[in-house]
Amino acid sequence: EVQLVESGGGLVQPGGSLRLSCAASGFTFSSYWMHWVRQAPGKGLVWVSHINSDGSSTTYADSVTGRFTISRDNAKNTLYLQMNSLRGEDTAVYYCVRGGPDTPLVFPYWGQGTLVTVSS
Amino acid sequence: QTVVTQEPSLTVSPGGTVTLTCASGTGAVTSGYYPNWIQQKPGQAPRALIYSTTKKHSWTPDRFSGSLLGGKAALTLSGVQPEDEAEYYCLLYYGGARLVFGGGTKLTVL
Repeated sequence: EVQLVESGGGLVQPGGSLRLSCAASGFTFSSYWMHWVRQAPGKGLVWVSHINSDGSSTTYADSVTGRFTISRDNAKNTLYLQMNSLRGEDTAVYYCVRGGPDTPLVFPYWGQGTLVTVSS
Repeated sequence: QTVVTQEPSLTVSPGGTVTLTCASGTGAVTSGYYPNWIQQKPGQAPRALIYSTTKKHSWTPDRFSGSLLGGKAALTLSGVQPEDEAEYYCLLYYGGARLVFGGGTKLTVL
């Protein structure tokens, strides 16, 4: 059974940093693209970033480029999102999502999410 | 800023048929946008339904189908069930690895 478990969310002050983790199990993690998608309270889904299977290729939404960094440790079956210079508008539930083996353009499995609150 | 537009809300009767659409601010949606459809019920994580315009995941009920309709991506529910009441999001690929969600359609089964 595919499982994605996010952690690392919490309350952080504007301008602060936070690192999210996503522990993956039930599939060969090193073979799949991975995404982060976020959802502000009461709002819609927003794609944040994705990374290819070996970590050599990453892409970001314009709203987080230069502030967020996606990475992965295939030996630990873990996906990360380093978030710096956090703003109020980054407040959201962050979901870890598995892509496909050969393409990022499919979103079959989602974690339960971790809440990040940016506030003073 | 690329805009993907969905109907804000739709209402359908149990057993009925409803079509949700997904329009791109840049022009007609084609298969090259690899439309995905995602369902989200209140308090739950999203669940994928459709990818690459028409393809279903193994868990997607037969009553859900994806298509292209009049320059838009479309999700049709035939024989709607009460448990289909949810928010539905489309997702389009814009090249350069850029992905954009629509604002979502709140489907009410009444």
